[in-house]
Amino acid sequence: GAVVSQHPSRVICKSGTSVKIECRSLDFQATTMFWYRQFPKKSLMLMATSNEGSKATYEQGVEKDKFLINHASLTLSTLTVTSAHPEDSSFYICSVKIGPGQGTPNTGELFFGEGSRLTVL
Amino acid sequence: QQQVKQSPQSLIVQKGGISIINCAYENTAFDYFPWYQQFPGKGPALLIAIRPDVSEKKEGRFTISFNKSAKQFSLHIMDSQPGDSATYFCAASFAGGTSYGKLTFGQGTILTVHP
Repeated sequence: GAVVSQHPSRVICKSGTSVKIECRSLDFQATTMFWYRQFPKKSLMLMATSNEGSKATYEQGVEKDKFLINHASLTLSTLTVTSAHPEDSSFYICSVKIGPGQGTPNTGELFFGEGSRLTVL
Repeated sequence: QQQVKQSPQSLIVQKGGISIINCAYENTAFDYFPWYQQFPGKGPALLIAIRPDVSEKKEGRFTISFNKSAKQFSLHIMDSQPGDSATYFCAASFAGGTSYGKLTFGQGTILTVHP
């Protein structure tokens, strides 16, 4: 079954509004979650690294005030796109790094969510 | 220094043929090299991954060949099937420490397998 759940899978919003995307680790505690952005027919670009209980680490060029990341628990990280504009329209994907000692065959294995397609009108 | 270059951009193969996708990296500190398969509108799914201490890894129809001195690695899909039609991404990361999981992706290869 799925290890990572992302919600919503699709969202359409008006320009200027804020949108929240959730990334949940379903069966395991995730020490770290990562947020990626993917434009159509393009590769995935890492936006930020999210650690439970601490501030997210953003990649160069990613506006931290624009893309707010909250990692409130070991199973949930949220990405909020604030004051969204059409250029923020993209496919946002999270990945989860499973912590050790949880019965998974490969400690530290990464699992990706199904992605969330954001369209800003 | 952080780039991963992937080729070809697109690939068309007949059913039963071999699909080969190549990647080259620059940062010699990378020590984890996964390949992902992505279908339209879906997140990437891990196919197979390799560490630089081996030159080849095979899982079913999928094989990674790794050339540490050339800083290159490739994915071979044997007996390609129409269901393999998807976008394939190579990636590189650090195997341990706090940077593990921060993947640098290649540009992607759109594979089409004709029946």
